[in-house]
Amino acid sequence: GQNIDQPTEMTATEGAIVQINCTYQTSGFNGLFWYQQHAGEAPTFLSYNVLDGLEEKGRFSSFLSRSKGYSYLLLKELQMKDSASYLCAVKRTGANNLFFGTGTRLTVIP
Amino acid sequence: EAQVTQNPRYLITVTGKKLTVTCSQNMNHEYMSWYRQDPGLGLRQIYYSMNVEVTDKGDVPEGYKVSRKEKRNFPLILESPSPNQTSLYFCASSPGTVVSYEQYFGPGTRLTVT
Repeated sequence: GQNIDQPTEMTATEGAIVQINCTYQTSGFNGLFWYQQHAGEAPTFLSYNVLDGLEEKGRFSSFLSRSKGYSYLLLKELQMKDSASYLCAVKRTGANNLFFGTGTRLTVIP
Repeated sequence: EAQVTQNPRYLITVTGKKLTVTCSQNMNHEYMSWYRQDPGLGLRQIYYSMNVEVTDKGDVPEGYKVSRKEKRNFPLILESPSPNQTSLYFCASSPGTVVSYEQYFGPGTRLTVT
């Protein structure tokens, strides 16, 4: 089977740093993805990790530890527009689809 | 502009009345898929297609049909909609024949079945 766990909701202050965790269990692993989804809108791609380590892209970074089945998304210098849901998804070896977690709703407050 | 379009954006229908949600992409992508999104359940894949005339089931295919007669179009068909198919539906596409790290999602179709 497969399972992804993310916190349901988080709140952080504008200008701060927030870390959104994702743990997964899957039979065969071939990549972990993070998507951002604003309320009522389509998801948009943020990052992709297939090897262990940190991938940095501007204010957003994503980390993966395959041995621990663990990833996090780090958002720096938070802005009000970062209020959104953040979806963690995994690709299984041999599968041609993504399995999504239920998402973490982040609220940025002034 | 590169995009995925879906129609209609909003639809209210009654149980048993066949409907089709269209999806079209202008990026020449080979891979396309359909998801539904429900509160507390996240995005779940319904069907996907790796190329013209090649489709396969995702995680929740029951009650849905798809076809891929042209590369750009991937319609979702509900032959006999039921209230448990009330949901937000997204179409997505990726370059290549396998799901790529960057999927492009359409704007979504909010379907209500009464």
